[in-house]
Amino acid sequence: SQELEQSPQSLIVQEGKNLTINCTSSKTLYGLYWYKQKYGEGLIFLMMLQKGGEEKSHEKITAKLDEKKQQSSLHITASQPSHAGIYLCGAYKEGLNTGTASKLTFGTGTRLQVTL
Amino acid sequence: DTGVSQNPRHKITKRGQNVTFRCDPISEHNRLYWYRQTLGQGPEFLTYFQNEAQLEKSRLLSDRFSAERPKGSFSTLEIQRTEQGDSAMYLCASSLWGGRAGSPLHFGNGTRLTVT
Repeated sequence: SQELEQSPQSLIVQEGKNLTINCTSSKTLYGLYWYKQKYGEGLIFLMMLQKGGEEKSHEKITAKLDEKKQQSSLHITASQPSHAGIYLCGAYKEGLNTGTASKLTFGTGTRLQVTL
Repeated sequence: DTGVSQNPRHKITKRGQNVTFRCDPISEHNRLYWYRQTLGQGPEFLTYFQNEAQLEKSRLLSDRFSAERPKGSFSTLEIQRTEQGDSAMYLCASSLWGGRAGSPLHFGNGTRLTVT
């Protein structure tokens, strides 16, 4: 089955610092989804990456997909307290191009704390 | 677009009791998913529907769990004879699935179940 490993498991950064979270797959990545979750709440969709080399940005968050390395990275520039939370990557087990993809499988998450 | 709505937000029950959760997806979404999440873990897939058809159930889902989506709109998840190990956050998500395109899942805020 698709296994997604995230690193680091937790991260504490000072406000204003940059940080990177990685998501590595044991199988070919056909698409990669990044979500953010605050404690006790649901997941908020951030970005979807579907092509190798694709890079997307939303405000100060940038995500990239490296299909050859079966890896995606999420980079936050000039972190703020509002960035604190759990970041989760998710991927479809099957190939999207076959039309058989069913459910997203998620990594265990990276807990981010931003200190003042 | 009011988002995915889940009720109740919290449920405390005694071991052996039955519980039922409700999920109202985004109205035009044809897929509806149930996930379970425990502390420090990513969401774990339970089951999903496309319209009213239940297309897949996780092997982890015991016979005590049943889900329905009678008219292809809202869904219910019932757990019979609850056990302490059922304590978790139950998340519902929906998506608009159009075949090959990998559409993101939109999550509700979850129902937190505590079995005493």
